[in-house]
Amino acid sequence: GQNIDQPTEMTATEGAIVQINCTYQTSGFNGLFWYQQHAGEAPTFLSYNVLDGLEEKGRFSSFLSRSKGYSYLLLKELQMKDSASYLCAAMDSNYQLIWGAGTKLIIKP
Amino acid sequence: EADIYQTPRYLVIGTGKKITLECSQTMGHDKMYWYQQDPGMELHLIHYSYGVNSTEKGDLSSESTVSRIRTEHFPLTLESARPSHTSQYLCASSDRGRDSSPLHFGNGTRLTVT
Repeated sequence: GQNIDQPTEMTATEGAIVQINCTYQTSGFNGLFWYQQHAGEAPTFLSYNVLDGLEEKGRFSSFLSRSKGYSYLLLKELQMKDSASYLCAAMDSNYQLIWGAGTKLIIKP
Repeated sequence: EADIYQTPRYLVIGTGKKITLECSQTMGHDKMYWYQQDPGMELHLIHYSYGVNSTEKGDLSSESTVSRIRTEHFPLTLESARPSHTSQYLCASSDRGRDSSPLHFGNGTRLTVT
């Protein structure tokens, strides 16, 4: 079957760095997405990886290892507004998205 | 500013009623999707469309229907609402030009069936 695993909840301190991991199993692979979702709001796109390696976008970076079926989202210089759920989604061979349940990130002052 | 709009934002309705959730986008995207999301759970695909007059069923399609008569409009209809339909419904769109195009989501409709 196809599935995505990511931690349910993580806590970090304002100004620190946090890494949110995601492992995936899909029938074929056409890339991995990360979305941010604040409580009661719509998910918003953060990053897309299809090749191995690290993609950096300001304070956020995303890493992919296709051989390991593994990705992580790295958030630096955490701010209170980064408190949200982070959704990992892998695209299978039919270009359908398989979604994780999301990781709720709590930022403490 | 939102480029994809969902109405209503909140809806409370009685069991057995027929309801239509509206979704419109102004980006000219060919692909549109309906997802259901419960708190702390993954998104489940209900229906999707690759363009006008194209509709496909997702994992949770059996109790709902969609139509795609115009590119910008993709309404979802529940013929007979049940308490198990209580959830958040998210509409999304993406550019057909690239299969890896990210999804743009509407703000959702939170449905409660009493």
